[in-house]
Amino acid sequence: AQKVTQAQTEISVVEKEDVTLDCVYETRDTTYYLFWYKQPPSGELVFLIRRNSFDEQNEISGRYSWNFQKSTSSFNFTITASQVVDSAVYFCALSGAFYNNNDMRFGAGTRLTVKP
Amino acid sequence: DSGVTQTPKHLITATGQRVTLRCSPRSGDLSVYWYQQSLDQGLQFLIQYYNGEERAKGNILERFSAQQFPDLHSELNLSSLELGDSALYFCASSVASGQGRNTEAFFGQGTRLTVV
Repeated sequence: AQKVTQAQTEISVVEKEDVTLDCVYETRDTTYYLFWYKQPPSGELVFLIRRNSFDEQNEISGRYSWNFQKSTSSFNFTITASQVVDSAVYFCALSGAFYNNNDMRFGAGTRLTVKP
Repeated sequence: DSGVTQTPKHLITATGQRVTLRCSPRSGDLSVYWYQQSLDQGLQFLIQYYNGEERAKGNILERFSAQQFPDLHSELNLSSLELGDSALYFCASSVASGQGRNTEAFFGQGTRLTVV
């Protein structure tokens, strides 16, 4: 069975602080995909990144960076120099290969509040 | 704008009634997912269709059903509604090819269902 755990329910930081959101996953698949989504107060779910299981290269996009480590089954998300607009619920998700286990399972989400 | 269209945006109905939620995927996407988001349950995967066929099933109640039509739009039917069915229902679509790659899903803005 596939499972995603986001142990941090809520995080509060002050603007310009760095913050890391943790994601730990469980899967028996050898091919799988990890995702991060952002849900701002307006409610829509915004795709941030996809990572394939065979690509452990970390990724940086502006103030966002992601650290994928298969050895610890983790896919953590760091926001550098946080801003008030980063306040949202962030979800980590996992899916298997399309031909095997296709549904995308979400973690419970981490609510990030960035205070001015 | 994700390109996924959900209608209606809001729906208020009484217990015992039946409603239909509609989803139009992004142009070219063959895969459609349905999710339920309630305050205490997070994002729950309900069901997924690929090119008209059911592909994966999650925690979908027997009172709920879905289908994907030849033009690829999808409908989620909820019947014998209960107060606990009040939630935000999301539709998402993805390319999800048959070659094994599983791609990110793009979400609609959701339908907020209130059962009174």
